[in-house]
Amino acid sequence: SAVISQKPSRDICQRGTSLTIQCQVDSQVTMMFWYRQQPGQSLTLIATANQGSEATYESGFVIDKFPISRPNLTFSTLTVSNMSPEDSSIYLCSVDEGAVGETQYFGPGTRLLVL
Amino acid sequence: GQNIDQPTEMTATEGAIVQINCTYQTSGFNGLFWYQQHAGEAPTFLSYNVLDGLEEKGRFSSFLSRSKGYSYLLLKELQMKDSASYLCAVRDIDNAGNMLTFGGGTRLMVKP
Repeated sequence: SAVISQKPSRDICQRGTSLTIQCQVDSQVTMMFWYRQQPGQSLTLIATANQGSEATYESGFVIDKFPISRPNLTFSTLTVSNMSPEDSSIYLCSVDEGAVGETQYFGPGTRLLVL
Repeated sequence: GQNIDQPTEMTATEGAIVQINCTYQTSGFNGLFWYQQHAGEAPTFLSYNVLDGLEEKGRFSSFLSRSKGYSYLLLKELQMKDSASYLCAVRDIDNAGNMLTFGGGTRLMVKP
């Protein structure tokens, strides 16, 4: 299975600042996704990171708030911009694997606390 | 869109068997996933079902009935380390890409 790493693993930030989270995969993957998991909640998809084109955002998420880069097939970044305490969450990247995407693996997550 | 329901919490005894149910409504079903998530950790992939029937993998089995929009995760010979949240997720072919929609998760507590 793909090995996924994320940096940073956790951070504490001041409101109004921005944080960029990196996701690195040890193999080339077509599909990469960014999810958010708020405290005590399940996972919600933020966007699909497309290589060579703009990310596809889900309802309720916009590019100005969560800009995403996907410069190649092994790497993506998610920026949480102009943070507020409501952005305190775990941010997870995931990748598809298998001929028909029969598995999706998650990175270890980035725990963000905004004060 | 999808509507995915699973119980919020369950409690079971070490050594026993527990079944966690998941029901879903989707227009273009394209696979159901189960994940295990321990507190403070990322979800770990457990199983994938796209055809009806039972998939067995060690102590864990997952069942799917597409006509009923129903799946369950069966955990046998429960161990204390099985205490975790179990997430049901559905992929819909009508969604762009291979994104998953997650249920709220079932928090399983295994007691001695």
